Formats: sequence, C-alpha cells, structure tokens
Amino acid sequence: DAGVIQSPRHEVTEMGQEVTLRCKPISGHDYLFWYRQTMMRGLELLIYFNNNVPIDDSGMPEDRFSAKMPNASFSTLKIQPSEPRDSAVYFCASSFGTGNPNGELFFGEGSRLTVL
Amino acid sequence: SQQGEEDPQALSIQEGENATMNCSYKTSINNLQWYRQNSGRGLVHLILIRSNEREKHSGRLRVTLDTSKKSSSLLITASRAADTASYFCATDGGAQKLVFGQGTRLTINP
Repeated sequence: DAGVIQSPRHEVTEMGQEVTLRCKPISGHDYLFWYRQTMMRGLELLIYFNNNVPIDDSGMPEDRFSAKMPNASFSTLKIQPSEPRDSAVYFCASSFGTGNPNGELFFGEGSRLTVL
Repeated sequence: SQQGEEDPQALSIQEGENATMNCSYKTSINNLQWYRQNSGRGLVHLILIRSNEREKHSGRLRVTLDTSKKSSSLLITASRAADTASYFCATDGGAQKLVFGQGTRLTINP
C-alpha cells in the first residue's frame, strides 16, 4: 500500500512568494495532521482534520498560513506571503482514528521549505 | 509548550550495547507513543503504550510507563548501526492531539 504522499519534497522560494504544499493521506484514514519541524522548536502541530473538517487550527502561526481538505484524499497547506522564518520541514500525517485521533500516525517524507 | 521531554538529547553507544531513552510529560495521558526518525525522512511509529499498561515489548524494543512519575522509557537491546536515528515520544495530554518531544539523537558506533 502507498503511504502518505507529500509534494514537493523540496521547495526553494523567495520571500513574499506563495507556497503550496500538498498531501495525499492513506486511503481510509479519517484524520489528517500537518506538522512543522525546525531545530529550534522541534515538531509542532499546525492543524488537524477529521473527516475533511478542520478540528483544531490553534497551532497555525498566523493568518499567512491556511489549510484545506477538499476531499478525503487531498489536503493543502498554503503560506502567503512566505517569510524566511517559515523555512522548515512540513510533515503531513494521517491515522485511522475511529473517534480517537490518538492512535498511530503515518507520516509522509516531508516537504523541506527554504524561503530566501 | 512541549508535553513530552526526552532525555538525553543525544546518546552515542557501541554496536551491541543497549540504549535507554527517557521521556517525561506534564499532564495525564490516554497513551504514549514512541517514534523513530531517520535523517531526512518522516517519523515512523514504533510502539504505543496505554495509560493502564506498565510495560510493552516489540522485538528488541521495550517500553515502560510510570504514570505516577509521568515518565516513560524506551530500551533498545543489542543495538545495530541501523538503529541510528532520532527517537521521539508523543503524548496526547488528555486532548485529542499528539504532542511530540524534542527527541533523542541516538548514534550507534560500529
């Protein structure tokens, strides 16, 4: 079975540009999570969805960040405008929660974003 | 704030030795999980231990949980070079989201 698929794997952009990161969760999973990983702050939960509905976006840094999940097989994380401090590895993860999102998470390989 | 904190931050041992990593957390939990991350890769789930369990085994892995001390340990026995990675604990803190610690960087020397 295919795992969680993220694209792009690497993105280099200039400050002020729009960045869109994409995620395809594992088929049948009903929870989807976006995390950000940096050396300074570790792994931070940005937002998570249950059955395509955003449940908790309290980790989204600011209004420049937005996330959508238009259907069960696709999610996007958008940064507009991007800033150098947004440079990080962004991970998407999914799980089969059966009402409990605290089960095993399956992570994608991440999208490494560099904002110059 | 971080729910789980791993200790030590870095650990270097010889191949064949056992590696022990610790995790402390602050609030009550439903379960605690351990993940491994190889350099440049995503995290991989290793083991989940529920709050009513005290010990769990999976292959060369042994996890203990002490809810009275709000701590857990991960033991990797007979370490191999392929075990070189970062290891993270994750807790739910009673809320419906997993929070990860900063991780322990484990290096296995041949």
